Amino acid sequence: NAGVTQTPKFRVLKTGQSMTLLCAQDMNHEYMYWYRQDPGMGLRLIHYSVGEGTTAKGEVPDGYNVSRLKKQNFLLGLESAAPSQTSVYFCASGEGQGDEKLFFGSGTQLSVL
Amino acid sequence: SQQGEEDPQALSIQEGENATMNCSYKTSINNLQWYRQNSGRGLVHLILIRSNEREKHSGRLRVTLDTSKKSSSLLITASRAADTASYFCATDASGTYKYIFGTGTRLKVLA
Repeated sequence: NAGVTQTPKFRVLKTGQSMTLLCAQDMNHEYMYWYRQDPGMGLRLIHYSVGEGTTAKGEVPDGYNVSRLKKQNFLLGLESAAPSQTSVYFCASGEGQGDEKLFFGSGTQLSVL
Repeated sequence: SQQGEEDPQALSIQEGENATMNCSYKTSINNLQWYRQNSGRGLVHLILIRSNEREKHSGRLRVTLDTSKKSSSLLITASRAADTASYFCATDASGTYKYIFGTGTRLKVLA
């Protein structure tokens, strides 16, 4: 039982490049989330999903896209990376109604040069 | 803007002392949760308190919730060096499951 796994753990991009971050959970959770964490800003919600095939915008969705084609996976895409997207990205999942606590992955450190 | 704001931003105490951190939020909520983050790692869930609860305990943790003031506090009793971490509150806006985190309190426990 691996919990929440994020791939990759580190990545360096040049401005304008694209990439996809993968989040996988093996707990059969309905809800999945992508957050970014910047120094002094805490965690900010980018996008989230309340079930397979659904996605919704969070606090800071601009410049990101997501997909939830399979229940266990939640992908975060950067179509044209910008230096402002340099951050640590965390994925989380939750069972949903009845047990709302979230389980987090270990994070992806992304640098955009 | 973020839903939750923690206070203080940083706290330094001696081992054995109690640590209190506060969280204020802006909208009606279903529940409020507290998480801990050790440096460079993912967040770990500590405790959840529902909007119809006023106080909850878990081991050395005590959480209170005042929905009229839109605020919560986390008390860690008899702190240990291992409690050194950042602590965040998280709220969902009226049952949307859209969990918004605060800016966090950095706690340092000196041995």
